[in-house]
Amino acid sequence: GNSVTQMEGPVTLSEEAFLTINCTYTATGYPSLFWYVQYPGEGLQLLLKATKADDKGSNKGFEATYRKETTSFHLEKGSVQVSDSAVYFCALGASGGSYIPTFGRGTSLIVHP
Amino acid sequence: NAGVTQTPKFQVLKTGQSMTLQCAQDMNHNSMYWYRQDPGMGLRLIYYSASEGTTDKGEVPNGYNVSRLNKREFSLRLESAAPSQTSVYFCASSEARVGSGANVLTFGAGSRLTVL
Repeated sequence: GNSVTQMEGPVTLSEEAFLTINCTYTATGYPSLFWYVQYPGEGLQLLLKATKADDKGSNKGFEATYRKETTSFHLEKGSVQVSDSAVYFCALGASGGSYIPTFGRGTSLIVHP
Repeated sequence: NAGVTQTPKFQVLKTGQSMTLQCAQDMNHNSMYWYRQDPGMGLRLIYYSASEGTTDKGEVPNGYNVSRLNKREFSLRLESAAPSQTSVYFCASSEARVGSGANVLTFGAGSRLTVL
């Protein structure tokens, strides 16, 4: 079945540091890939997505590129802010025999001033 | 624009009590989902509904029942609550049909349930 592996957190950074959160996946077929963000006390919300190989999703300074050859979708941001502190989830869209999205376990990001 | 609305936001139950978590969406979405979120476990799917009148089990359905009352509403019922069901519950909906690869989910704010 489909699965998503994310780096374990928490990831702790100083403001303006470079961020990378690794995400790799196993899937049948060619699913769309997503990053969701969960701010404290809230539900998840879509951060960015990519629907096919080599697509780059971007939003709010975050970027991720769909790499089919390495089955990866790593999240990056050049300069993080305190307001980026949240939990980030990598997810696969439905594909192959899986009819529902598959989520990773989430990576907590803590940004200090 | 309310999106996905969940009630209640907080609830404390005693073991063996029953309760229903309510979820409603105002986006005319076809698919709806119930997840639970536990520390270190991420999101786990309890049940989902591809359309009005249909429901299917997810990864962790035991101890729960659901009802897709109409296109807008999807409720989750705990018939006899257990401490293992202490969790944060999220309802989500999607415009796309279940099975669509580009399925973007819209989540509610969550319901925190504690079972003593």
